[in-house]
Amino acid sequence: ETGVTQTPRHLVMGMTNKKSLKCEQHLGHNAMYWYKQSAKKPLELMFVYNFKEQTENNSVPSRFSPECPNSSHLFLHLHTLQPEDSALYLCASSQEGGVIGYTFGSGTRLTVV
Amino acid sequence: QQQVKQSPQSLIVQKGGISIINCAYENTAFDYFPWYQQFPGKGPALLIAIRPDVSEKKEGRFTISFNKSAKQFSLHIMDSQPGDSATYFCAASKGGNFNKFYFGSGTKLNVKP
Repeated sequence: ETGVTQTPRHLVMGMTNKKSLKCEQHLGHNAMYWYKQSAKKPLELMFVYNFKEQTENNSVPSRFSPECPNSSHLFLHLHTLQPEDSALYLCASSQEGGVIGYTFGSGTRLTVV
Repeated sequence: QQQVKQSPQSLIVQKGGISIINCAYENTAFDYFPWYQQFPGKGPALLIAIRPDVSEKKEGRFTISFNKSAKQFSLHIMDSQPGDSATYFCAASKGGNFNKFYFGSGTKLNVKP
């Protein structure tokens, strides 16, 4: 496996469910990110982790809870979501001080019913 | 307030034509401007990037033109091909903070054969 891998690719959940999105990067990067992509809107930065430490929380509702156990893995725990949270959730990684730019995963398409 | 404004929202070009996508920004602290390409079912991938100390950067059929005084930059795709059909995002970051990019809202390009 190379690059940034996200699972699952698709997720349908009810508003009372609890689920988690997983991201794994095989690039040796030390920064990881969660982005939300909604139709016809700019990519929205949700969370930033540098060296496993959260360095940014972009005013994200508490129903989204990130976890970064190590530099290679990133999770997004979801609970009591709203239908407007339906979107493509993208994970990305980068190397602080290295090649500039993100490597994105293919995303998890989330539908909240 | 959207930091980077992108136009058009969608673009149809004939094969062999030139595709032009424009972005504008307000924050003069921005000093790195990448373009990302996203195919359906995939995450965005870094295509080409420019810094404000040059007015143009070319990589193959892709060229970024940068106008610092107008705070605008654009992506030109020469000899557009059906395989270029994708969504394109411009982005900007400031002050060496490559952990935080501000994205445009995207342009969906359709190159007709």
